[in-house]
This record gives sequence, structure tokens and C-alpha cells, in this order.
Amino acid sequence: GAVVSQHPSWVICKSGTSVKIECRSLDFQATTMFWYRQFPKQSLMLMATSNEGSKATYEQGVEKDKFLINHASLTLSTLTVTSAHPEDSSFYICSAPGLGTEAFFGQGTRLTVV
Amino acid sequence: AQSVSQHNHHVILSEAASLELGCNYSYGGTVNLFWYVQYPGQHLQLLLKYFSGDPLVKGIKGFEAEFIKSKFSFNLRKPSVQWSDTAEYFCAVTNSGTYKYIFGTGTRLKVLA
Repeated sequence: GAVVSQHPSWVICKSGTSVKIECRSLDFQATTMFWYRQFPKQSLMLMATSNEGSKATYEQGVEKDKFLINHASLTLSTLTVTSAHPEDSSFYICSAPGLGTEAFFGQGTRLTVV
Repeated sequence: AQSVSQHNHHVILSEAASLELGCNYSYGGTVNLFWYVQYPGQHLQLLLKYFSGDPLVKGIKGFEAEFIKSKFSFNLRKPSVQWSDTAEYFCAVTNSGTYKYIFGTGTRLKVLA
């Protein structure tokens, strides 16, 4: 089946620095990708929709200047957490639609900001 | 607002016990329903899905789920769990025609050998 790969799987960074997370569709093209975030004991929540060749669309309450999304090619979307703070520590997952009616998910990235 | 509720946050079972994980959603339109499993360090993996037709859906690894429209429910079941079923399980909903998932909070299942 289709594979979506996320990198890194986990990252620890210092407060105030920026972190980039990559999401790649390995054997298919994706003009759209989705980024989710999961806080402890909460649901995976959709943050934004990444659109190849155009600006990302953000869900209500998500700061677009803090979470920069770039969909540089048909197989790569990146999420950059800028000026990270401890409250940004979370689990981030990307997904890409398949040919059918379901999406494929990356393995997730555990971000810890210290 | 649309939401998905999973009633059990942590479940511990012995091998061979039967499993039922509850999932309810709130949305009045046409939905697609999913159950995903995530093993430690691995991708979310689709267990089963419902789009239309027979409300009793069979998935991989012996799992099944039943869509009860009147109850807005999509409970996951397995007659006899195995130690290898230890994982986290997510119920999710999408509106028909979109790929934006609304997830439940997940249920951590631990199966004791």
C-alpha cells in the first residue's frame, strides 16, 4: 500500500529555536497533505491543509506564523515550528490522500521543547 | 461542531478475551467511518472502514465494526484478542468527499499474555 514517511520520528529542541518536520509520500503524488497535532490525552486535531504550489489553509486557532507549512513538491510537505516553546511539545502527524477514499498517515513526530 | 467520542481510554484484557471499543460521533450528514491502530513507533494503520452498504464491516486481523446510524455509533469488536493486539486504537470520521479526519482521543489496549 501507499506509504507516507515522516522525519524525524522524534526531536528535542531548545526553547526559541525552530524545528522542521518533513512528510513525504514515497510511492505516490500528493497535491494535498494534512498536518495533525496530538496533545497528551487528547484527540489528533487537524492543524492545516498543505497545498502543493499554493498557501496552506489553517484551521481555526492555529497560528500560521508559528507553524510554517511548505508544500514544495508533489511528494514533500514540511512543517516548521518556529520559535518553539514548551507548550508546542506534542505529537505531529501528517497524512496524504490515497487514490480511494482514505488517507495514509506518517508515523508521527514527537517534539519535545526544553 | 463535529466530534468523535471514544469511551474507553485504557483497556486491559487477558488473551482470548473479547473486545469491544465504543465510538460515537456527532454529525448530521453523510460520513465515512474508520478505525485505525497504531503500534508503538509505527504508522497509523487502517483496520477497517465504512462508507456505505452493509453496516457490519470486517477488517484486518479479525476485527469488525458495526455502524448503527440511529445511535451514531461505530463500535469495534474482536471475539478473541491476542497479545499482539496491544496498541492504541483510534476511531475517526470524515465527511464524504473530504480527507479531513476527526479523531477520537484513542484507546490504549493492553493484552496480557
